[in-house]
Amino acid sequence: DQQVKQNSPSLSVQEGRISILNCDYTNSMFDYFLWYKKYPAEGPTFLISISSIKDKNEDGRFTVFLNKSAKHLSLHIVPSQPGDSAVYFCAASEGNYGGATNKLIFGTGTLLAVQP
Amino acid sequence: DAGVIQSPRHEVTEMGQEVTLRCKPISGHDYLFWYRQTMMRGLELLIYFNNNVPIDDSGMPEDRFSAKMPNASFSTLKIQPSEPRDSAVYFCASSYRLGAYEQYFGPGTRLTVT
Repeated sequence: DQQVKQNSPSLSVQEGRISILNCDYTNSMFDYFLWYKKYPAEGPTFLISISSIKDKNEDGRFTVFLNKSAKHLSLHIVPSQPGDSAVYFCAASEGNYGGATNKLIFGTGTLLAVQP
Repeated sequence: DAGVIQSPRHEVTEMGQEVTLRCKPISGHDYLFWYRQTMMRGLELLIYFNNNVPIDDSGMPEDRFSAKMPNASFSTLKIQPSEPRDSAVYFCASSYRLGAYEQYFGPGTRLTVT
């Protein structure tokens, strides 16, 4: 049973426009969320994260929004660039409940294609 | 630092053969993770270690899979016997302390079992 879901396997966006990638989760114990980016033939690399005590975290062109009541988070990329074309994975952790853990649960990924 | 190192990068083997994947984590990282990536299930955590001790192996699919970490700089994931459904990309990742959620991934090993 997928605890972290990315229901859009792919997304195509024009260069300069906004890319919005979505992620839903089912486990209310998750308290830390991350986005990873993956290029072909490479391992995933960390992009941005958010703690459950926040509803927004921004880093340059990348912003992550968290809606705990809806168990939903999204990654916004503005403006999108061709170099952003990659697979984006959403991940979640139960973090500090019952003792901290580094275990992450990943979604299935969304392939973003930014068209020049 | 060289980052997480995995070998081989590609492995093609026949059904029934033993496969061994290798990983060298980033020096000083106390946590090591093995993941499998498939189209259907995305990135699945198979097992993770803390200070060379297996902490959670609930993601290991079957007894055919085993993992070891004999020292802080080396880990193996073994599949014996291998089956075509084991074909996937296997990633190793490490992180440096408890509560450090960011994990550093290796380039992966693409396994094809024919």
